[in-house]
Amino acid sequence: DARVTQTPRHKVTEMGQEVTMRCQPILGHNTVFWYRQTMMQGLELLAYFRNRAPLDDSGMPKDRFSAEMPDATLATLKIQPSEPRDSAVYFCASGLPLVGTEAFFGQGTRLTVV
Amino acid sequence: GQSLEQPSEVTAVEGAIVQINCTYQTSGFYGLSWYQQHDGGAPTFLSYNALDGLEETGRFSSFLSRSDSYGYLLLQELQMKDSASYFCALQGGNYQLIWGAGTKLIIKP
Repeated sequence: DARVTQTPRHKVTEMGQEVTMRCQPILGHNTVFWYRQTMMQGLELLAYFRNRAPLDDSGMPKDRFSAEMPDATLATLKIQPSEPRDSAVYFCASGLPLVGTEAFFGQGTRLTVV
Repeated sequence: GQSLEQPSEVTAVEGAIVQINCTYQTSGFYGLSWYQQHDGGAPTFLSYNALDGLEETGRFSSFLSRSDSYGYLLLQELQMKDSASYFCALQGGNYQLIWGAGTKLIIKP
């Protein structure tokens, strides 16, 4: 069945290390979202792509975060260097730009930076 | 700007009915969505209201009033498995979603 796939599911890393999270959107979906979820901030939109082009990445700290879509089947979110405050669950979601369409979420990457 | 407000927590009894409210401020939007998220899981879509009125999907119903900038999710015949967080989200320009902070629903036997 169609689903959004995120890897890794869990990541523990040391402060200062580079972290790369990957997302495979549902085939045919041309819209991809990256969200960060913490207990304190809820769901924060980090970046939003349509047809692989970034439409909105205003929620992303530009000094350390970067998001790309090398091709239609892969979205990446990188943090370099990572900091303890980046510890959170990072979700990728995909969908279509239609009124009323739902966003399909991956299972998330739980990141812990120590 | 755009913002949504929901209660942080709601408690109800198994078998009862509960309503989770969502008020919003926005200059324009396509519709209001509701998502459910269990602890440790991903948000999953429940319902969408493009027009004013009630949308029913099984035990869940969602309501929208654009004139009152208000919506709600109604859960009937509550089951323990309904214990989760519920998010309202506006579908805005570029079809992106603007999210509320979520309401944690606690169900007691």
